Amino acid sequence: DGGITQSPKYLFRKEGQNVTLSCEQNLNHDAMYWYRQDPGQGLRLIYYSQIVNDFQKGDIAEGYSVSREKKESFPLTVTSAQKNPTAFYLCASTGLGDEQYFGPGTRLTVT
Amino acid sequence: AQKITQTQPGMFVQEKEAVTLDCTYDTSDQSYGLFWYKQPSSGEMIFLIYQGSYDEQNATEGRYSLNFQKARKSANLVISASQLGDSAMYFCAMREAFLKNTGNQFYFGTGTSLTVIP
Repeated sequence: DGGITQSPKYLFRKEGQNVTLSCEQNLNHDAMYWYRQDPGQGLRLIYYSQIVNDFQKGDIAEGYSVSREKKESFPLTVTSAQKNPTAFYLCASTGLGDEQYFGPGTRLTVT
Repeated sequence: AQKITQTQPGMFVQEKEAVTLDCTYDTSDQSYGLFWYKQPSSGEMIFLIYQGSYDEQNATEGRYSLNFQKARKSANLVISASQLGDSAMYFCAMREAFLKNTGNQFYFGTGTSLTVIP
């Protein structure tokens, strides 16, 4: 089945460590997005990419980095510079259709 | 200014009753798309319904309908015959300069928590 996978579902890291969140899609979508969601809050855009080897900062890009070397993959690295990294991270993509398709999300806890 | 405003942090509805979740938007574009998503406690985002700015008819998908009032810039979600499984967060979203197969940014509201009471 086509869709977006994010792994792992739960991730635990020590403060000061970089961590990379995986996002893979087999929908042949050009555009991919990363959002952060804090408890009881809406979605905030971290980065998005319209095509391979191109990406733009969203509203809260500081402390994060991304790459888009393949159409199917858009990994997000949470660096040690991110002051409050504990959150729920959602990856999404859009193609010819209208809506965004979302992955199941990764809950990152940094202690 | 907020692109998407959802003024109801929490709503309650009796099972089998209808409920309206409010959403207003702000854009100067003529072409845009409006979306509603459901987020259960598991965290996944489930697409519910879409309305294009040029669509003259209100969108409907099963028990979901979108009350689109362009002049008032509102796009309220109506859920008919509420079920216990409808309890979730609901997010309104907008994509401006609506073009297919592009990565234009989506704007999300802060969400409304809906609780269906048996």
